[in-house]
Amino acid sequence: NAGVTQTPKFQVLKTGQSMTLQCAQDMNHNSMYWYRQDPGMGLRLIYYSASEGTTDKGEVPNGYNVSRLNKREFSLRLESAAPSQTSVYFCASSEAAGSYNEQFFGPGTRLTVL
Amino acid sequence: SQQGEEDPQALSIQEGENATMNCSYKTSINNLQWYRQNSGRGLVHLILIRSNEREKHSGRLRVTLDTSKKSSSLLITASRAADTASYFCATDKGGSYIPTFGRGTSLIVHP
Repeated sequence: NAGVTQTPKFQVLKTGQSMTLQCAQDMNHNSMYWYRQDPGMGLRLIYYSASEGTTDKGEVPNGYNVSRLNKREFSLRLESAAPSQTSVYFCASSEAAGSYNEQFFGPGTRLTVL
Repeated sequence: SQQGEEDPQALSIQEGENATMNCSYKTSINNLQWYRQNSGRGLVHLILIRSNEREKHSGRLRVTLDTSKKSSSLLITASRAADTASYFCATDKGGSYIPTFGRGTSLIVHP
């Protein structure tokens, strides 16, 4: 039971390049989330998927797109990376959307945009 | 914008001492959660407290909630070096059922 897995663990991009961050969970959770964590800013929600087939914007969606590929997988795409997107990205999942549900986090992807 | 804000930003104590950190929020909530993040790792859920609860315990953790003051506290008793981590509160933000995270308290426990 791996929980939430993320790939890659580290990535360096040049400004303007694109990439997709992958996330998968094996807990049969309905809801999945993408956060970014910057020093002094805590975690900020980029996008979430309350259930398979739905996605919604979070607090900081600009510059990102997401795909809920199936119940297990939720990917985050940067179409044209910018230095402001240098951050640590965390994927999380929960049994259902809602503040009463515990979120399970992946190990993170450390992204640097030059 | 953050709904919950942790205080203090950083806390340094000796092993065996108690550690207290606080979370204040702006609008009424349904639930409040506390998470721990070890350096370089993802967050791990510690405890959930509902708006109609005043206190919950889990092992060495004690969480209180004062809805009149819009604040919560996390107490770690008899701290250990392994408790060194950042601690975050997560609250739902008026009208949204998705929790938002504060900036965290960085706790260092010296052996």
